[in-house]
Amino acid sequence: DIVMTQTPLSSPVTLGQPASISCRSSQSLVHNDGNTYLSWLQQRPGQPPRVLIYKISNRFSGVPDRFSGSGAGTDFTLKISRVEAEDVGVYYCMQATQFPRTFGQGTKLEIK
Amino acid sequence: EVQLVESGGGLVKPGGSLRLSCAASGFTFYTYTMNWVRQAPGKGLEWVSSIGSSSNFIYDADSVKGRFAISRDNAKNSLYLQMNSLRAEDTAVYYCVRGFEGFDYWGQGTLVTVSS
Repeated sequence: DIVMTQTPLSSPVTLGQPASISCRSSQSLVHNDGNTYLSWLQQRPGQPPRVLIYKISNRFSGVPDRFSGSGAGTDFTLKISRVEAEDVGVYYCMQATQFPRTFGQGTKLEIK
Repeated sequence: EVQLVESGGGLVKPGGSLRLSCAASGFTFYTYTMNWVRQAPGKGLEWVSSIGSSSNFIYDADSVKGRFAISRDNAKNSLYLQMNSLRAEDTAVYYCVRGFEGFDYWGQGTLVTVSS
């Protein structure tokens, strides 16, 4: 199974400041078809998860452009350019390159 | 608008059974892979099971293999999860999720509690 490791697990951030979350996979996420199926999900308190980014860097419909994804192979990053109050929650990376699908442990973003 | 509405959760004793349902609307259900993902109280996300658009493939997590069975009825735009031999560690919110290479839409979830 592919193990997804996120750092940090907790991130206190000042409103208006940037934030960054890293995700490392135990093996390459490049699929045989050439795509890399790495997604980022956000889970606000009391809500189901929602997808922010898919295939490393593609923003899902309706996601603000302050969210961006980057990386390749086994190392990936989610960046928030300027944190807003509504960004509080837990962020997960997830791989869909192979079964079983696996998630990172989650990174809790909170406001200082 | 894509909607996924889960039902069927509740309190069940260890060793018992439960069947979850997910009613899908707002998209061509029969063209999408569907999944169940669960989240234990205060914990992270755990993939449970996936089924292909025409039930052409099924994958299950090792933790539920032989106990849970995913199925779908494309005529009814519905996804199911039959859960047998339930254990305390199966206690979680179960989400119905659309997608194959990425999980793009999630339902609100249904809570399953396994306790005597």
